[in-house]
Amino acid sequence: RKEVEQDPGPFNVPEGATVAFNCTYSNSASQSFFWYRQDCRKEPKLLMSVYSSGNEDGRFTAQLNRASQYISLLIRDSKLSDSATYLCVVINQGGKLIFGQGTELSVKP
Amino acid sequence: DGGITQSPKYLFRKEGQNVTLSCEQNLNHDAMYWYRQDPGQGLRLIYYSQIVNDFQKGDIAEGYSVSREKKESFPLTVTSAQKNPTAFYLCASSPSWYTVSGANVLTFGAGSRLTVL
Repeated sequence: RKEVEQDPGPFNVPEGATVAFNCTYSNSASQSFFWYRQDCRKEPKLLMSVYSSGNEDGRFTAQLNRASQYISLLIRDSKLSDSATYLCVVINQGGKLIFGQGTELSVKP
Repeated sequence: DGGITQSPKYLFRKEGQNVTLSCEQNLNHDAMYWYRQDPGQGLRLIYYSQIVNDFQKGDIAEGYSVSREKKESFPLTVTSAQKNPTAFYLCASSPSWYTVSGANVLTFGAGSRLTVL
């Protein structure tokens, strides 16, 4: 079993839709969690950290479920510019960053 | 502006040749990393350096070498021993190797795309 797993997608949604991605992790001692966004042929960029209490940044909401060992990213009112690959990143207790393989989102007009 | 500069952006190599990818950061970060990304796969760690003059193997270090003689520089050499070097290589840095606060986020360079002919 991979340490971090994501549904690779692609998720094809119309503009204005709400879409959610999940990311599961296997190490219960994992410490920190992030979502990164990667545009085609570009470097990943930090989208948001994921806090235990959940956090929101505009149309984006991130949540952590330690009991079930997953994090989620919810995007409301999808825009064409949201089309990208979303990478889940988990830091384990040794300080090592583990990347998921990414979930591809395509927002259509 | 502070950031990470990788060069070259595109590189073509003949089989049997060594190539060196440059990575320079002006963020005053202690930790630096090299990742490899293949299509449809997550980033895999090649080497990392927690502090200047120190570096450690990551998950896929075979066929690669690095140095960390200066805080701001962490070049990666792809040697002829790397069997499948065609990939997208990403250099990253962070303020420190480890923190529990969640503030230890990575900053990436724009990447170097290596193709073996």
